[in-house]
Amino acid sequence: SAVISQKPSRDICQRGTSLTIQCQVDSQVTMMFWYRQQPGQSLTLIATANQGSEATYESGFVIDKFPISRPNLTFSTLTVSNMSPEDSSIYLCSVEDSGTGGQYFGPGTRLTVT
Amino acid sequence: QKEVEQDPGPLSVPEGAIVSLNCTYSNSAFQYFMWYRQYSRKGPELLMYTYSSGNKEDGRFTAQVDKSSKYISLFIRDSQPSDSATYLCAMSDTGFQKLVFGTGTRLLVSP
Repeated sequence: SAVISQKPSRDICQRGTSLTIQCQVDSQVTMMFWYRQQPGQSLTLIATANQGSEATYESGFVIDKFPISRPNLTFSTLTVSNMSPEDSSIYLCSVEDSGTGGQYFGPGTRLTVT
Repeated sequence: QKEVEQDPGPLSVPEGAIVSLNCTYSNSAFQYFMWYRQYSRKGPELLMYTYSSGNKEDGRFTAQVDKSSKYISLFIRDSQPSDSATYLCAMSDTGFQKLVFGTGTRLLVSP
């Protein structure tokens, strides 16, 4: 399965600022996903990112708040914009492995907004 | 009502016990069913997946799907302290793309 890394692993940010999270995969993948995992809640899909096209956002998530880039088949970024304490969460990227099946996750970025 | 329901636990068992973890769901279109293990401060790790109904076994782990009851299970035999983690079920009607997750069950296996 693909090996996925994320940067930063954690950060503490002030409200009103923005943070960009990077996701790097060790192989080329078509689809990358961004999730949010809030305490006591299930993982929630934010958006799907395909290389060369605009990301597709799920209900309740908008591009102005969570802009995503996908410049190539091994890399993606998620920006959390104009942060508030409610954005404190773990953000995870994942990829679909079309060869073996399944969706595989990175280690996550733990974000705290003060 | 959530699409996928999962008891948050914690579920505490002694080492060597058989563990049963379960999820129920409401969307009859779900065809792909996955189980993830998540250690504290780590990303979810895919344990196994099944398509449609039936059983699948991988070492100490067995996944069961009962689509007629909209109920899936993960059994862990001879549980070990290293199995202590949160177990997440996930499912999809579109392959391995748009997954819907349960909230996870925290499992504690004591030596």
